[in-house]
Amino acid sequence: NAGVTQTPKFQVLKTGQSMTLQCAQDMNHEYMSWYRQDPGMGLRLIHYSVGAGITDQGEVPNGYNVSRSTTEDFPLRLLSAAPSQTSVYFCASSKGTGMNTEAFFGQGTRLTVV
Amino acid sequence: QQPVQSPQAVILREGEDAVINCSSSKALYSVHWYRQKHGEAPVFLMILLKGGEQKGHEKISASFNEKKQQSSLYLTASQLSYSGTYFCGTGGSGAGSYQLTFGKGTKLSVIP
Repeated sequence: NAGVTQTPKFQVLKTGQSMTLQCAQDMNHEYMSWYRQDPGMGLRLIHYSVGAGITDQGEVPNGYNVSRSTTEDFPLRLLSAAPSQTSVYFCASSKGTGMNTEAFFGQGTRLTVV
Repeated sequence: QQPVQSPQAVILREGEDAVINCSSSKALYSVHWYRQKHGEAPVFLMILLKGGEQKGHEKISASFNEKKQQSSLYLTASQLSYSGTYFCGTGGSGAGSYQLTFGKGTKLSVIP
């Protein structure tokens, strides 16, 4: 079992560029989510999904888009990168609604916007 | 809204005990605890559910006071491997709410 796989592991973008962070899980989990982690701020929820075709905003959704066309994949799109989006991004997946089950995290994507 | 964790940081000697607290301004359905080592992904410790059910493993325990909307993580007889940052996550506050929201973390350092 691969679990939750994120690609790429590292990325440098120029301001204004767009890109997609990939996340895939092979555990048939319904719930998937994206967090960003900044020093001293903990993990902040960007977007989440409770199943294919269903997505919703978290605490810090501005500047990010998501879609969930399959159970396995939950890509995060940066529309026009800004230095404030420099962060470590984690994707996670859980069974059911995610509220009463363990979350499995990917290894993270370290993004730098210059 | 992020739950509030305290303390922000703690240093222990091997064998000492520690308590990490987590409080929320919203009614909670569940409280999750995770540990993250430097440069790695967060790893699940346990979940406490409204109504008293607890799911978890390892020699670490926790409590969940639903009325006070608080949870505490108890680490007893600490080991070097306990070092890391501990996060509480609160879930399901409100009907139809599926946001798992984490606090800012508590950095625990265990020294020989």
